[in-house]
Amino acid sequence: EDKVVQSPLSLVVHEGDTVTLNCSYEVTNFRSLLWYKQEKKAPTFLFMLTSSGIEKKSGRLSSILDKKELFSILNITATQTGDSAVYLCAVEGNTNAGKSTFGDGTTLTVKP
Amino acid sequence: EAQVTQNPRYLITVTGKKLTVTCSQNMNHEYMSWYRQDPGLGLRQIYYSMNVEVTDKGDVPEGYKVSRKEKRNFPLILESPSPNQTSLYFCASRITGGFRNQPQHFGDGTRLSIL
Repeated sequence: EDKVVQSPLSLVVHEGDTVTLNCSYEVTNFRSLLWYKQEKKAPTFLFMLTSSGIEKKSGRLSSILDKKELFSILNITATQTGDSAVYLCAVEGNTNAGKSTFGDGTTLTVKP
Repeated sequence: EAQVTQNPRYLITVTGKKLTVTCSQNMNHEYMSWYRQDPGLGLRQIYYSMNVEVTDKGDVPEGYKVSRKEKRNFPLILESPSPNQTSLYFCASRITGGFRNQPQHFGDGTRLSIL
């Protein structure tokens, strides 16, 4: 059974801090790992990672995958209050192409 | 505007009264999926559809039915709702159901309360 574990479950920081969110996974025949941001409603896509060691970057957010150790990290530098959200990690495998397994999410709160 | 549309957005109903949550996408996506989200938990997949007339169970299919008669629509049916199906439901779609890597696009969610 595929499994995704995110840590920490929640995190409170102040504006300007840097945070690292963790996602470890088990999936049969790995295909991709995805990060989503969820504010009040629908999750929105951040990054898709398929290869180890290649950093994906978008502004202050970046993410990297380690397929040997089966984990990914999401970094946010110079945090802002608008970064407050639940960050979800999901994995998909090639054995069952339609299945997506999500972790429980990390709730990030950025205080002014 | 490209979007996934769910209806209703909110529903309070009673145990045993059949209900349907509709989901429609205007992006000509092959793949569609339903998830439920409970407090403190991530998304758990209920059913997914790789294409028209093709549906498969996710991790928590019990008590739910789906159909995919046309590409744009993927309704979620609760034949006899029970209180443990009180949850926030999301519909999602992506371009293909195959082995290409793509993100999913999510609807805004449907909050169901079953008394």
